[in-house]
Amino acid sequence: AQSVSQHNHHVILSEAASLELGCNYSYGGTVNLFWYVQYPGQHLQLLLKYFSGDPLVKGIKGFEAEFIKSKFSFNLRKPSVQWSDTAEYFCAVTRGSQGNLIFGKGTKLSVKP
Amino acid sequence: NAGVTQTPKFQVLKTGQSMTLQCAQDMNHNSMYWYRQDPGMGLRLIYYSASEGTTDKGEVPNGYNVSRLNKREFSLRLESAAPSQTSVYFCASSIEGTRDTGELFFGEGSRLTVL
Repeated sequence: AQSVSQHNHHVILSEAASLELGCNYSYGGTVNLFWYVQYPGQHLQLLLKYFSGDPLVKGIKGFEAEFIKSKFSFNLRKPSVQWSDTAEYFCAVTRGSQGNLIFGKGTKLSVKP
Repeated sequence: NAGVTQTPKFQVLKTGQSMTLQCAQDMNHNSMYWYRQDPGMGLRLIYYSASEGTTDKGEVPNGYNVSRLNKREFSLRLESAAPSQTSVYFCASSIEGTRDTGELFFGEGSRLTVL
């Protein structure tokens, strides 16, 4: 079965530190890849997505993610985090021609001011 | 434009009671979904409706039923609640399933506690 792995359960950073959250998926065919963010007490919202083309995808609020097909990875990055980035981040995958979103278990990011 | 609206936001039930979570979207989306979110488990799909008049099981459908009442509304029913169904439930919608645009629009969530 297709699965999505997020290796870090909880990441704690100081403001201005760089961020990289790992995401790996198990499906070998064409995939669409997403990062969603859930701020405390709020619903999930889309951060960025990859369908095709440039494997480096830029999203909102200075986030970006790189699709590395050979590694089955779609890691999320931000050069300098802010306290307001404190949230839970979910990687999600859907197969190219069908299927619903499969979510990873999420990574909680806590940014210390 | 409210987006996706869920009711109720909070509910406490006793084991064996039944209840229905309501969801409505005003974005003219074809597809709707119910997820549950549990600590350390991420979001798991309970049921989805690819279009009006169709419903399909997701990853964790046991103990739940759904109704796609019309294009706007998609309800989730617990016939006999169990403590294992204590969770936060999210309704979501998308234009035409996730294979095309991929973006799900989520409601605010409904926190259900079963005692």
